[in-house]
Amino acid sequence: DVKVTQSSRYLVKRTGEKVFLECVQDMDHENMFWYRQDPGLGLRLIYFSYDVKMKEKGDIPEGYSVSREKKERFSLILESASTNQTSMYLCASNRDKYEQYFGPGTRLTVT
Amino acid sequence: GQNIDQPTEMTATEGAIVQINCTYQTSGFNGLFWYQQHAGEAPTFLSYNVLDGLEEKGRFSSFLSRSKGYSYLLLKELQMKDSASYLCAVDLGGYIPTFGRGTSLIVHP
Repeated sequence: DVKVTQSSRYLVKRTGEKVFLECVQDMDHENMFWYRQDPGLGLRLIYFSYDVKMKEKGDIPEGYSVSREKKERFSLILESASTNQTSMYLCASNRDKYEQYFGPGTRLTVT
Repeated sequence: GQNIDQPTEMTATEGAIVQINCTYQTSGFNGLFWYQQHAGEAPTFLSYNVLDGLEEKGRFSSFLSRSKGYSYLLLKELQMKDSASYLCAVDLGGYIPTFGRGTSLIVHP
């Protein structure tokens, strides 16, 4: 059974804080992704990674960075959190197959 | 830019059939995904269409017309548990989906 886990279900941070969102998958998948999901806007891709230490920008990378030091772990970093980054953040992974497996999500509130 | 359109909300009756449409205008196209997402949960994969035509998977079927930039998801024998958001997404390359805004389906008794 594929499992994608995220470090927190709910997170509250203050404006200007550095925020780390962690994602771990246990299926040895090469590809990992970070999305944010907002009402009326759907899922939008922030960053993805095809391999360890590799990263590619998605559609909305501004204000975010990522780190992939190990194959199973993909971290999303908000260098200086802002209120417009309040959102649901979803991590996903897959191998070469098309099906993505999503984690349960982290609802981040920036005050 | 990429344009993927689907209705915001639909309602249907338990036991009925519902069709959720998706139209797209994108700079590339390798295939089309459908995902289901229950409230407060992660999206789960339903289907991926590459070729024109209908693909059936139990109560769910997905149709694609590449020439028309059109797809639909057909749900038969609706159950209350089918109340969820249905996400249409285009594969622009590398099996990375670009999502539409989703259709919220409400099934009532």
